[in-house]
Amino acid sequence: GPKVLQIPSHQIIDMGQMVTLNCDPVSNHLYFYWYKQILGQQMEFLVNFYNGKVMEKSKLFKDQFSVERPDGSYFTLKIQPTALEDSAVYFCASSSLQGQFYAEQFFGPGTRLTVL
Amino acid sequence: GDSVTQTEGLVTLTEGLPVMLNCTYQTIYSNPFLFWYVQHLNESPRLLLKSFTDNKRTEHQGFHATLHKSSSSFHLQKSSAQLSDSALYYCALISSGSWQLIFGSGTQLTVMP
Repeated sequence: GPKVLQIPSHQIIDMGQMVTLNCDPVSNHLYFYWYKQILGQQMEFLVNFYNGKVMEKSKLFKDQFSVERPDGSYFTLKIQPTALEDSAVYFCASSSLQGQFYAEQFFGPGTRLTVL
Repeated sequence: GDSVTQTEGLVTLTEGLPVMLNCTYQTIYSNPFLFWYVQHLNESPRLLLKSFTDNKRTEHQGFHATLHKSSSSFHLQKSSAQLSDSALYYCALISSGSWQLIFGSGTQLTVMP
């Protein structure tokens, strides 16, 4: 079936540094999402992105977070600067326009981010 | 705010026995969308079932669930567990007018021979 890819699979950085997580969504999808999962806890929504704009974000989407998808390239989550509490697995997802809220979100395998 | 509760963190059962994973939700909206996602080891979460119709059974790959708005429940069931069903199962909710999936804490299902 359709696959979402995430690069890298693991990232270790020092607190205060910048990190960019990359997502290659399903090719004809138009909605993109980031979710965060701290070890042992449930996945939590961060942000939804469509047509070059953030449509919806949660309180976890701090000012240090930003997302973009320049034409034809990855959908990215940038954290600048990073904090210890940003350590988590970040899942990217994408969905098609059809069905909008009801459309299946396809998830990537996640990027495990460790902030030291 | 909206929430999803999965009461069992771990479920272990023997192959061939029935499976029932509990899911209840809270939302102020009258027309929520409910989902079950499954995540096998080292794989991405993928959609197993979805529903927004009250009291209608939905089925896929041997699993079934019925959304009951009267009890705010969307339990996942299967008549006979297989070894390959061992995985992490997430119940999730989307409220009307939102794109965000609200996940439960997940249930790790282990099927033993």
